[in-house]
Amino acid sequence: GENVEQHPSTLSVQEGDSAVIKCTYSDSASNYFPWYKQELGKRPQLIIDIRSNVGEKKDQRIAVTLNKTAKHFSLHITETQPEDSAVYFCAARSPSNEKLTFGTGTRLTIIP
Amino acid sequence: EAGVTQSPTHLIKTRGQQATLRCSPISGHTSVYWYQQALGLGLQFLLWYDEGEERNRGNFPPRFSGRQFPNYSSELNVNALELEDSALYLCASSFARSTDTQYFGPGTRLTVL
Repeated sequence: GENVEQHPSTLSVQEGDSAVIKCTYSDSASNYFPWYKQELGKRPQLIIDIRSNVGEKKDQRIAVTLNKTAKHFSLHITETQPEDSAVYFCAARSPSNEKLTFGTGTRLTIIP
Repeated sequence: EAGVTQSPTHLIKTRGQQATLRCSPISGHTSVYWYQQALGLGLQFLLWYDEGEERNRGNFPPRFSGRQFPNYSSELNVNALELEDSALYLCASSFARSTDTQYFGPGTRLTVL
């Protein structure tokens, strides 16, 4: 089955700087890659997603890049703000079983 | 538009008991997914229901089971509870099995004593 690895597990960034979280996946047929943000005690919220026919997608301060050859995708957050502090999860969907496999999460802390 | 709802918010049980967790998907969504999130860990896929049928299940023992009702709401049952079943159980829904975006509910915190 699909295996998703996520790095780093924790990340501290000065407010205003950029943050990058990276994920690799094992199933080359995977075709959908969402990113979720989970604040303490709250539900995971979809923040951005990308499909396998696109290399990059941007939404204001958030961007995701996908490298199908290397089987990795990354989340980029620019001009970080304190409210960006949360746990971020990447995921990959394999068409063989139509389920999302999640990474282990990255705890992002923005230092004021 | 109302989001995914789950009940109860918290559930406390003792070892060996059974727990029933409930989920109502977003109106119009036919697929429901269940995940287990143990403290400090990621989301582990449990079960997927679509159009009333179980479509896939994760690597969990058979004492984790569920069903989906005609109105697309879903129930997760955990029998013979063990201490390690203590976790946040999250439900997510999507519009259809061919649509990937999953929207999560607030979760049910299950504590097994």
